[in-house]
This record gives sequence, C-alpha cells and structure tokens, in this order.
Amino acid sequence: DAGVTQSPTHLIKTRGQHVTLRCSPISGHKSVSWYQQVLGQGPQFIFQYYEKEERGRGNFPDRFSARQFPNYSSELNVNALLLGDSALYLCASSYLGTGGSEAFFGQGTRLTVV
Amino acid sequence: AQRVTQPEKLLSVFKGAPVELKCNYSYSGSPELFWYVQYSRQRLQLLLRHISRESIKGFTADLNKGETSFHLKKPFAQEEDSAMYYCALEDRNSGYALNFGKGTSLLVTP
Repeated sequence: DAGVTQSPTHLIKTRGQHVTLRCSPISGHKSVSWYQQVLGQGPQFIFQYYEKEERGRGNFPDRFSARQFPNYSSELNVNALLLGDSALYLCASSYLGTGGSEAFFGQGTRLTVV
Repeated sequence: AQRVTQPEKLLSVFKGAPVELKCNYSYSGSPELFWYVQYSRQRLQLLLRHISRESIKGFTADLNKGETSFHLKKPFAQEEDSAMYYCALEDRNSGYALNFGKGTSLLVTP
C-alpha cells in the first residue's frame, strides 16, 4: 500500500481561479480530513468526511468545499483563489476518523497563488 | 475555545542530553492529545497519543490536567530525533478534527 496519495504535488494558480485537489485514502479507511498548512504554522483543519458525509468543518470561507466519493477518495475545491490561499494542503485518512484510529497523512499538495 | 500552545519554535540540544518539548492546551472536556512528528522530507506521522500511554522511540508524554499540559520528553536525545514536532488536540466539537500547535523544531547536535 502506497499510503495516502495526493495529487498534484505542486500547483501554481492565478488569483481568482479555481483549484481542485485530490486525495486517495489508505485502502479500508473510511474517513478523510483536509488541512491547510501555511509556512511556519501547524496544520489547520478544513474539513472531515466520514462515509461520504461531512462530519466537521473548520473556520474557512465558503470558497472552500469538499466531497467524498463512494470509493472514499476525496476532492478539495477552492474557488476565487486569493494570494493568502498559498499553502501546503494535507489530506489525512483514518479508519474511523476519531482518536481511536490513527490519522495517516499524505505528502501534501503545494499550492502557490500568484 | 480549544487551543494548543507550543511556546518554543526551536529547541537545540546536544546528543545524549534530556529533551522536553512543551505543549499546553485549553479544552472544555476530557482532552484527547497527540504528538505528531515530521522528519526531513517525510510525511507528518503520529508519534504517540496519551490514551495509549506508550513510549515510542524513547519518547513519553504525560497528560497533566491540572497544568493543562502534555509535554514530550526523552531522557537521552539522539541525532535522528531532529525533526519538527507538533502537539495536537482532538476537537470533538468539530467532528474529530485535530487542532495542531505551531510546532517545535528540535535540533540535536553531536
């Protein structure tokens, strides 16, 4: 198993554009979470999905949206990109999505907005 | 509000010296706390969680509810311990999100 995989690894977008980031969880894991990590900060929670339902949402504007597919993979969408959206976006998968099951992180997608 | 504070941005110690990475939290309820580690050019990974009360790679962390702390300790640091360490709190009021501190960069020098 390759672990959690994210695509693309790097991305450059222009202000105002839209971006879609993708995440494939570890086989058998039903929960996917998304985090944003800006330079010098810890990861900040954006969304959690479990069994295709949104379980939690962080303090991010409505420009951020996500979904989880029947195969448990997930997409994070960001509309009307701002310079401040430049960050490393991390995806984490776990079997249950609770503290009882470990969260495994992907390598991240580095988004640069110019 | 739930919050995790790691007061040290950078901690530098000599090989063989004791290490303590500090973590303080604020949470209304019974906290679930974790330490995650990121080695150079590797993914963020779980180091240990307080509910399992285990020692991983010689590291331990004790939850002190009175002081609202979850400091990470190791009696004798090794060069391979050099990494970025994040303390995280599970926020059960927001699904089961992990609320991370800003991280402490540990540098162990020979």
